[in-house]
Amino acid sequence: RKEVEQDPGPFNVPEGATVAFNCTYSNSASQSFFWYRQDCRKEPKLLMSVYSSGNEDGRFTAQLNRASQYISLLIRDSKLSDSATYLCVVNSNDYKLSFGAGTTVTVRA
Amino acid sequence: GAGVSQTPSNKVTEKGKYVELRCDPISGHTALYWYRQSLGQGPEFLIYFQGTGAADDSGLPNDRFFAVRPEGSVSTLKIQRTERGDSAVYLCASSGLPTDTQYFGPGTRLTVL
Repeated sequence: RKEVEQDPGPFNVPEGATVAFNCTYSNSASQSFFWYRQDCRKEPKLLMSVYSSGNEDGRFTAQLNRASQYISLLIRDSKLSDSATYLCVVNSNDYKLSFGAGTTVTVRA
Repeated sequence: GAGVSQTPSNKVTEKGKYVELRCDPISGHTALYWYRQSLGQGPEFLIYFQGTGAADDSGLPNDRFFAVRPEGSVSTLKIQRTERGDSAVYLCASSGLPTDTQYFGPGTRLTVL
């Protein structure tokens, strides 16, 4: 079983729509959680950290459910520039990041 | 400031050849990581350096893979006797501390024919 599992999508949404997706992780000892964004043929870039109480960064909202071991990302008022692959990332020790395979989001005009 | 840089950006080689991939981390970052990303997958951890020493090489797939960081800055990932299954994007990342955000370089796309 993979340490981090994500729905690969793709999620095709019109501009202005809300899109949400989850990932699950297997290691209950995981300590830190992140969403990274990866554009086609580019490197992953940190989108936001995910905190137990849930957190928001502009149009992006992340939630963590430790009991069920899942993490969610919600994007409101989608823009064309939000089209990318979103990688769910879990850190079980200080340095080793475990990545999901990514969820592809395509926002259409 | 300058981000993580990697060279070459693309490398095409033949099965059985030796390759070296270079990573230049953000200046002052003591932690350096190598990951490998295959098509349709997320990056997978290969090795972590703290300073000059490899603190964790548990992700290296076999003994054909080796990495060094002799002066605690630039790192080189070395692959001997390349196989077609080694084809992937090799990503390097660095951070100030192991617990800090990891910043990724643009990667080296390795193709083994």
